[in-house]
Amino acid sequence: RKEVEQDPGPFNVPEGATVAFNCTYSNSASQSFFWYRQDCRKEPKLLMSVYSSGNEDGRFTAQLNRASQYISLLIRDSKLSDSATYLCVVNPPEAGTALIFGKGTTLSVSS
Amino acid sequence: DAGVTQSPTHLIKTRGQQVTLRCSPKSGHDTVSWYQQALGQGPQFIFQYYEEEERQRGNFPDRFSGHQFPNYSSELNVNALLLGDSALYLCASSLLGAQANSPLHFGNGTRLTVT
Repeated sequence: RKEVEQDPGPFNVPEGATVAFNCTYSNSASQSFFWYRQDCRKEPKLLMSVYSSGNEDGRFTAQLNRASQYISLLIRDSKLSDSATYLCVVNPPEAGTALIFGKGTTLSVSS
Repeated sequence: DAGVTQSPTHLIKTRGQQVTLRCSPKSGHDTVSWYQQALGQGPQFIFQYYEEEERQRGNFPDRFSGHQFPNYSSELNVNALLLGDSALYLCASSLLGAQANSPLHFGNGTRLTVT
């Protein structure tokens, strides 16, 4: 099992749609989780951290399910500007301070 | 306040050549991490430098080496370039004493093409 796995997509949705991405991780002892956003040919940028209780930032909601070892990202009321690749990121204990990235899920929002 | 800066932005090299990429950390940061992102993949950790020493290393061959200077800036060197080294090379800086497992903030990256 890969350390961090994501459905690569692409997810093609119309504006205003709600879309959800899931990610699974292999090390149950992992403590830190993040979602990054990456635009085409740009560097990844932190979208949000993921907390055990779940957290929300505007139209974005992140959830963590430790029992099933998966993380989710929900985007409500999709905008054209949400089109990007979303990277699931985990910091398992054996990685020290290194972050382990999934391959990313591509989202395309159309008008 | 400038964030992480990397140079050059783009680079084209030939197989077998050597390349040096540069990174200046965000002001106040003392730790630099390097990642490689191949096309269609997520970034992969290469190594991390702190106090001018390699503190942690990922699963990369010895052809990949680095250096950190007293001003905390860093270089990534790759020798004997292979076609498979073509990728976006990302640098991130942080403060070692900061909260553990804090997220990283990357520079714009250097896109290396090996022909």
